[in-house]
Amino acid sequence: EADIYQTPRYLVIGTGKKITLECSQTMGHDKMYWYQQDPGMELHLIHYSYGVNSTEKGDLSSESTVSRIRTEHFPLTLESARPSHTSQYLCASSGGGQSSGNTIYFGEGSWLTVV
Amino acid sequence: GESVGLHLPTLSVQEGDNSIINCAYSNSASDYFIWYKQESGKGPQFIIDIRSNMDKRQGQRVTVLLNKTVKHLSLQIAATQPGDSAVYFCAENGNRGATNKLIFGTGTLLAVQP
Repeated sequence: EADIYQTPRYLVIGTGKKITLECSQTMGHDKMYWYQQDPGMELHLIHYSYGVNSTEKGDLSSESTVSRIRTEHFPLTLESARPSHTSQYLCASSGGGQSSGNTIYFGEGSWLTVV
Repeated sequence: GESVGLHLPTLSVQEGDNSIINCAYSNSASDYFIWYKQESGKGPQFIIDIRSNMDKRQGQRVTVLLNKTVKHLSLQIAATQPGDSAVYFCAENGNRGATNKLIFGTGTLLAVQP
């Protein structure tokens, strides 16, 4: 069982609002990720961090930003939400080491609806 | 470009039967593959993984087969149960080394009929 937590699970906000999706993991993993997933569709990587103070954009362009000040915390922020941002956002983490096969563990997801 | 796709978007099986979910990948340099199960409203849950130096790996009621010649991955679930109903995703790492950024396929919905 993975110890990775996301809040809020569900959020409905108005256009133009600023929101932050929280993600925390207690496994001491150095790598953390944010994926975006529309209903019934595949997951797309939007942000990646391989350690404190390191972040990278993922494969799918996103207007969101992330920060990694602490190992266990990887929040995602939208400065001005739009209806096109409506989606599920999944946070994930994986362990350290040089292996490219470290298992990625996912949180339960944050469903964002922008009206 | 790189892609991972599934042959069957929906698979319906009878309870107790074996299920086989297939996945094709396009990046021959990928050296790590994972199957995830995602239940409605939840995040993906790790099922089983396999490295490219293996052809087969077994877990509890699940087996993953890797055919590198045709770039094909399959997940076999023995004695399928109603609790196995979910969307199943395969993912590959695209051989992006220690970054471990996975490329996901589109998913297969497994529906188990009682």
